[in-house]
Amino acid sequence: NAGVTQTPKFQVLKTGQSMTLQCAQDMNHNSMYWYRQDPGMGLRLIYYSASEGTTDKGEVPNGYNVSRLNKREFSLRLESAAPSQTSVYFCASRGAGNEQFFGPGTRLTVL
Amino acid sequence: QKEVEQNSGPLSVPEGAIASLNCTYSDRGSQSFFWYRQYSGKSPELIMFIYSNGDKEDGRFTAQLNKASQYVSLLIRDSQPSDSATYLCAPGAGRGGGADGLTFGKGTHLIIQP
Repeated sequence: NAGVTQTPKFQVLKTGQSMTLQCAQDMNHNSMYWYRQDPGMGLRLIYYSASEGTTDKGEVPNGYNVSRLNKREFSLRLESAAPSQTSVYFCASRGAGNEQFFGPGTRLTVL
Repeated sequence: QKEVEQNSGPLSVPEGAIASLNCTYSDRGSQSFFWYRQYSGKSPELIMFIYSNGDKEDGRFTAQLNKASQYVSLLIRDSQPSDSATYLCAPGAGRGGGADGLTFGKGTHLIIQP
Protein backbone atom coordinates (compact mmCIF):
# COMPACT_ATOMS: atom_id res chain seq x y z
CA ASN A 1 0.00 0.00 0.00
CA ALA A 2 1.70 3.16 -1.22
CA GLY A 3 -1.05 5.48 0.11
CA VAL A 4 -0.94 8.80 -1.73
CA THR A 5 1.83 9.36 -4.26
CA GLN A 6 2.79 12.57 -6.06
CA THR A 7 5.08 13.39 -8.95
CA PRO A 8 7.34 15.20 -9.42
CA LYS A 9 8.97 15.87 -6.02
CA PHE A 10 10.69 19.04 -7.22
CA GLN A 11 10.15 21.32 -10.20
CA VAL A 12 11.55 24.64 -11.40
CA LEU A 13 9.59 26.56 -14.03
CA LYS A 14 10.01 29.85 -15.81
CA THR A 15 7.19 32.37 -15.74
CA GLY A 16 4.61 31.47 -18.36
CA GLN A 17 5.49 27.78 -18.61
CA SER A 18 2.88 25.13 -17.93
CA MET A 19 3.01 21.87 -16.04
CA THR A 20 0.84 19.18 -14.50
CA LEU A 21 1.26 17.78 -11.00
CA GLN A 22 0.18 14.17 -10.71
CA CYS A 23 -1.45 12.49 -7.73
CA ALA A 24 -2.67 8.95 -7.18
CA GLN A 25 -4.10 7.04 -4.22
CA ASP A 26 -4.55 3.32 -3.72
CA MET A 27 -6.94 3.43 -0.75
CA ASN A 28 -10.15 3.42 -2.82
CA HIS A 29 -11.13 6.83 -1.44
CA ASN A 30 -13.82 8.88 -3.16
CA SER A 31 -12.64 12.38 -2.22
CA MET A 32 -9.32 13.92 -3.17
CA TYR A 33 -7.79 17.35 -2.56
CA TRP A 34 -5.06 19.72 -3.70
CA TYR A 35 -3.51 22.13 -1.18
CA ARG A 36 -0.73 24.63 -1.32
CA GLN A 37 1.38 25.50 1.72
CA ASP A 38 3.23 28.78 2.04
CA PRO A 39 5.21 30.10 5.03
CA GLY A 40 2.89 31.87 7.45
CA MET A 41 -0.21 30.97 5.41
CA GLY A 42 -0.80 27.39 6.40
CA LEU A 43 -2.50 24.85 4.15
CA ARG A 44 -4.93 26.35 1.68
CA LEU A 45 -7.34 24.33 -0.43
CA ILE A 46 -7.01 24.86 -4.18
CA TYR A 47 -9.49 22.36 -5.61
CA TYR A 48 -11.18 19.20 -4.49
CA SER A 49 -13.04 16.28 -6.01
CA ALA A 50 -15.80 14.73 -3.94
CA SER A 51 -16.07 11.75 -6.29
CA GLU A 52 -14.96 10.54 -9.68
CA GLY A 53 -16.24 12.93 -12.34
CA THR A 54 -16.74 15.95 -10.07
CA THR A 55 -14.45 18.82 -9.12
CA ASP A 56 -15.00 22.00 -7.10
CA LYS A 57 -13.07 25.15 -6.30
CA GLY A 58 -11.51 25.65 -2.94
CA GLU A 59 -10.15 28.77 -1.29
CA VAL A 60 -7.46 29.69 -3.86
CA PRO A 61 -8.35 28.25 -7.31
CA ASN A 62 -7.19 31.09 -9.57
CA GLY A 63 -4.44 30.06 -11.98
CA TYR A 64 -5.11 26.33 -11.60
CA ASN A 65 -7.16 23.63 -13.26
CA VAL A 66 -7.77 20.06 -12.16
CA SER A 67 -8.80 16.75 -13.68
CA ARG A 68 -10.19 13.74 -11.86
CA LEU A 69 -9.01 11.17 -14.35
CA ASN A 70 -10.51 8.19 -12.51
CA LYS A 71 -11.08 7.19 -8.90
CA ARG A 72 -7.34 6.84 -8.24
CA GLU A 73 -5.91 9.91 -9.97
CA PHE A 74 -6.37 13.65 -9.48
CA SER A 75 -4.07 16.04 -11.37
CA LEU A 76 -3.40 19.76 -10.93
CA ARG A 77 -2.41 21.90 -13.91
CA LEU A 78 -0.76 25.29 -14.02
CA GLU A 79 -1.44 26.72 -17.48
CA SER A 80 0.83 29.77 -17.25
CA ALA A 81 2.98 29.68 -14.15
CA ALA A 82 3.61 32.85 -12.13
CA PRO A 83 6.14 33.53 -9.34
CA SER A 84 3.19 33.77 -6.92
CA GLN A 85 2.62 30.05 -7.50
CA THR A 86 5.96 29.18 -5.95
CA SER A 87 4.88 26.90 -3.12
CA VAL A 88 4.74 23.37 -1.80
CA TYR A 89 1.78 21.45 -3.21
CA PHE A 90 0.15 18.57 -1.37
CA CYS A 91 -2.41 16.11 -2.61
CA ALA A 92 -4.64 14.32 -0.10
CA SER A 93 -7.45 11.79 -0.05
CA ARG A 94 -10.20 11.38 2.51
CA GLY A 95 -10.94 8.29 4.56
CA ALA A 96 -14.23 7.05 5.97
CA GLY A 97 -13.82 8.99 9.23
CA ASN A 98 -13.26 12.28 7.40
CA GLU A 99 -9.52 12.11 8.06
CA GLN A 100 -7.18 13.09 5.23
CA PHE A 101 -4.02 11.34 4.14
CA PHE A 102 -1.36 13.39 2.44
CA GLY A 103 1.13 12.68 -0.30
CA PRO A 104 4.82 13.64 0.07
CA GLY A 105 4.39 16.96 -1.74
CA THR A 106 5.85 18.78 -4.73
CA ARG A 107 8.17 21.73 -4.22
CA LEU A 108 7.60 24.14 -7.09
CA THR A 109 9.70 27.21 -7.84
CA VAL A 110 8.61 29.65 -10.54
CA LEU A 111 11.34 32.03 -11.69
CA GLN B 1 -15.48 31.86 6.74
CA LYS B 2 -14.29 29.00 8.91
CA GLU B 3 -11.42 30.00 11.17
CA VAL B 4 -9.00 27.91 13.17
CA GLU B 5 -6.69 29.64 15.62
CA GLN B 6 -3.46 28.23 17.00
CA ASN B 7 -0.57 29.90 18.76
CA SER B 8 2.23 29.82 16.20
CA GLY B 9 4.93 29.49 18.84
CA PRO B 10 7.63 28.43 19.03
CA LEU B 11 6.59 26.55 22.15
CA SER B 12 9.67 25.31 23.97
CA VAL B 13 9.26 22.38 26.38
CA PRO B 14 11.96 20.47 28.32
CA GLU B 15 12.45 16.82 27.47
CA GLY B 16 10.25 14.60 29.63
CA ALA B 17 7.70 17.34 30.38
CA ILE B 18 4.12 17.65 29.11
CA ALA B 19 3.58 19.72 25.96
CA SER B 20 0.16 21.34 25.68
CA LEU B 21 -1.08 22.54 22.29
CA ASN B 22 -4.31 24.48 21.94
CA CYS B 23 -6.74 25.24 19.14
CA THR B 24 -10.00 27.18 18.84
CA TYR B 25 -12.37 27.02 15.89
CA SER B 26 -15.26 29.12 14.65
CA ASP B 27 -17.51 26.60 12.88
CA ARG B 28 -20.04 25.26 15.40
CA GLY B 29 -20.99 22.60 12.85
CA SER B 30 -17.62 20.89 13.18
CA GLN B 31 -18.01 17.29 14.29
CA SER B 32 -14.62 15.72 13.70
CA PHE B 33 -11.27 17.00 14.90
CA PHE B 34 -7.82 16.01 13.77
CA TRP B 35 -4.27 16.68 14.88
CA TYR B 36 -1.48 16.43 12.34
CA ARG B 37 2.25 16.50 12.92
CA GLN B 38 4.48 18.01 10.25
CA TYR B 39 8.24 17.73 10.33
CA SER B 40 10.21 20.35 8.45
CA GLY B 41 10.21 19.57 4.73
CA LYS B 42 7.70 16.73 5.10
CA SER B 43 3.97 16.29 4.60
CA PRO B 44 1.37 16.41 7.41
CA GLU B 45 0.89 13.11 9.22
CA LEU B 46 -2.30 12.25 11.12
CA ILE B 47 -1.56 11.50 14.79
CA MET B 48 -4.89 11.87 16.61
CA PHE B 49 -8.57 12.27 15.95
CA ILE B 50 -11.52 12.87 18.25
CA TYR B 51 -15.25 13.08 17.61
CA SER B 52 -16.81 13.33 21.08
CA ASN B 53 -16.48 15.74 23.96
CA GLY B 54 -13.94 14.70 26.57
CA ASP B 55 -10.55 13.08 26.39
CA LYS B 56 -9.09 10.49 24.07
CA GLU B 57 -5.76 8.87 24.85
CA ASP B 58 -3.39 7.10 22.46
CA GLY B 59 0.00 6.26 23.89
CA ARG B 60 1.73 9.49 24.94
CA PHE B 61 -0.90 11.61 23.18
CA THR B 62 -4.19 12.85 24.63
CA ALA B 63 -6.71 14.87 22.64
CA GLN B 64 -9.26 16.93 24.55
CA LEU B 65 -12.44 18.33 23.01
CA ASN B 66 -14.93 20.87 24.35
CA LYS B 67 -17.52 21.63 21.67
CA ALA B 68 -19.38 24.16 23.81
CA SER B 69 -16.22 26.25 24.10
CA GLN B 70 -15.14 25.37 20.53
CA TYR B 71 -11.80 24.29 21.87
CA VAL B 72 -9.60 21.29 21.17
CA SER B 73 -6.19 20.53 22.63
CA LEU B 74 -3.39 18.01 22.32
CA LEU B 75 -1.24 16.92 25.24
CA ILE B 76 2.05 15.12 24.67
CA ARG B 77 3.38 13.38 27.78
CA ASP B 78 7.03 12.52 28.36
CA SER B 79 8.04 14.79 25.47
CA GLN B 80 10.93 13.58 23.34
CA PRO B 81 13.22 15.53 20.98
CA SER B 82 11.60 13.57 18.13
CA ASP B 83 8.31 15.34 18.99
CA SER B 84 9.81 18.61 17.77
CA ALA B 85 7.63 19.54 14.80
CA THR B 86 4.73 21.76 13.77
CA TYR B 87 1.32 20.54 14.93
CA LEU B 88 -1.74 21.36 12.84
CA CYS B 89 -5.28 21.39 14.18
CA ALA B 90 -8.04 20.56 11.67
CA PRO B 91 -11.77 20.58 12.45
CA GLY B 92 -14.09 19.05 9.90
CA ALA B 93 -17.62 17.93 9.21
CA GLY B 94 -19.17 14.76 10.52
CA ARG B 95 -18.41 11.36 9.04
CA GLY B 96 -19.65 11.13 5.49
CA GLY B 97 -20.18 14.85 5.16
CA GLY B 98 -18.14 17.90 4.30
CA ALA B 99 -16.54 16.81 1.06
CA ASP B 100 -14.96 20.26 0.91
CA GLY B 101 -12.50 18.96 3.42
CA LEU B 102 -10.86 20.08 6.61
CA THR B 103 -9.99 23.61 7.70
CA PHE B 104 -6.40 23.69 8.92
CA GLY B 105 -4.90 26.00 11.49
CA LYS B 106 -1.51 27.50 10.69
CA GLY B 107 0.11 25.27 13.26
CA THR B 108 2.12 25.49 16.47
CA HIS B 109 5.88 25.01 16.21
CA LEU B 110 6.94 22.79 19.13
CA ILE B 111 10.56 22.48 20.24
CA ILE B 112 11.56 19.86 22.80
CA GLN B 113 14.74 20.91 24.58
CA PRO B 114 17.05 17.98 25.50
